[in-house]
Amino acid sequence: NAGVTQTPKFQVLKTGQSMTLQCAQDMNHNSMYWYRQDPGMGLRLIYYSASEGTTDKGEVPNGYNVSRLNKREFSLRLESAAPSQTSVYFCASAYTRLDEKLFFGSGTQLSVL
Amino acid sequence: SQQGEEDPQALSIQEGENATMNCSYKTSINNLQWYRQNSGRGLVHLILIRSNEREKHSGRLRVTLDTSKKSSSLLITASRAADTASYFCATVPGNQFYFGTGTSLTVIP
Repeated sequence: NAGVTQTPKFQVLKTGQSMTLQCAQDMNHNSMYWYRQDPGMGLRLIYYSASEGTTDKGEVPNGYNVSRLNKREFSLRLESAAPSQTSVYFCASAYTRLDEKLFFGSGTQLSVL
Repeated sequence: SQQGEEDPQALSIQEGENATMNCSYKTSINNLQWYRQNSGRGLVHLILIRSNEREKHSGRLRVTLDTSKKSSSLLITASRAADTASYFCATVPGNQFYFGTGTSLTVIP
């Protein structure tokens, strides 16, 4: 099993450009999450999807949109990238029973110039 | 912010010593988890402790939880150079997982 797969691994954008980060999991998990990681800030939750067909805002949703395409896939879109969105983005998934853990992808390093 | 906060931010020890890091959080939780992150990689789950548990062990890891103080500690015994990584606590109040700011551990061979 591949686990959680994120693409691309690296991306450079110019301010104002748009892009979509893709995430897919093959573990039949119900919940999926997008985090950003910045130095000194830890991981901050952008959006999550508790189940197929639902999405909810996390701590830092401004400037982002998400789509839960099906149970396997959860994408993150930047409509008009800003330098403040330069970060490492992680996708994660879980069964979402009370005693379940998160499985992480390997991350996307995004630079917005 | 929903984030927890780890203490210390950075820790440097000799191989064979024990490493202790602490996590304080703000909300009521269902469980608290600890994760490890090697440089340039995603996070990997280490151990989970439920809100009705006070202590849990897994190999060289020992986790304690004090819900009255909203705090947890992670102890790594007999540290190895391979334990060098960042360690994060995650609080789980519902469907969300909220992470702290992390402790960077360096184990010197």
